[in-house]
Amino acid sequence: EAGVAQSPRYKIIEKRQSVAFWCNPISGHATLYWYQQILGQGPKLLIQFQNNGVVDDSQLPKDRFSAERLKGVDSTLKIQPAKLEDSAVYLCASSSLTGSPNEKLFFGSGTQLSVL
Amino acid sequence: AQSVSQHNHHVILSEAASLELGCNYSYGGTVNLFWYVQYPGQHLQLLLKYFSGDPLVKGIKGFEAEFIKSKFSFNLRKPSVQWSDTAEYFCAVNQAAAGNKLTFGGGTRVLVKP
Repeated sequence: EAGVAQSPRYKIIEKRQSVAFWCNPISGHATLYWYQQILGQGPKLLIQFQNNGVVDDSQLPKDRFSAERLKGVDSTLKIQPAKLEDSAVYLCASSSLTGSPNEKLFFGSGTQLSVL
Repeated sequence: AQSVSQHNHHVILSEAASLELGCNYSYGGTVNLFWYVQYPGQHLQLLLKYFSGDPLVKGIKGFEAEFIKSKFSFNLRKPSVQWSDTAEYFCAVNQAAAGNKLTFGGGTRVLVKP
């Protein structure tokens, strides 16, 4: 089966610029996650969608980060304006189960963002 | 708040050596435990998971992990590593009381020398 697709693979921007990342989850997966992974750290959940609704965005810096999943399939994550500390790998993951503790997450390859 | 600690940031060992990676979590109650692995150039993938039952869990590629509730630990083991086990390993925990949100440890980079 096709995996979770993310683009771009790499992005370099200057601070205060804007950037957007795109994710296409595995077909049929209702739950979609965006994680931020800073170098040397584990992934940190930014936002969780169930279909096109937000389940958890408690760790999303809403003053600069936004995410949407309008049709319940693809999702975009935007940063505006970017700061140096936003340099990280942004991972998208999807799951077929709805908030179940048994759910297995399928991860994309990530977008590596460098903010200069 | 939930937290997950992995004791070693980097581990270097030779092929055929035994591997044990430590993982401790900070909260009580019923938890679900996972180990994810990221091979060089690849995406994160599930290695094994524990929800209930036998505290010794066997996963893919000869890995196993033991849940010790009294120690809040879920250590990963492999009796004899191969060069292809070179990867970064992440312990993760979720809990129904926290909305099943998955919290990851900081990861351990394992380098297996041929």
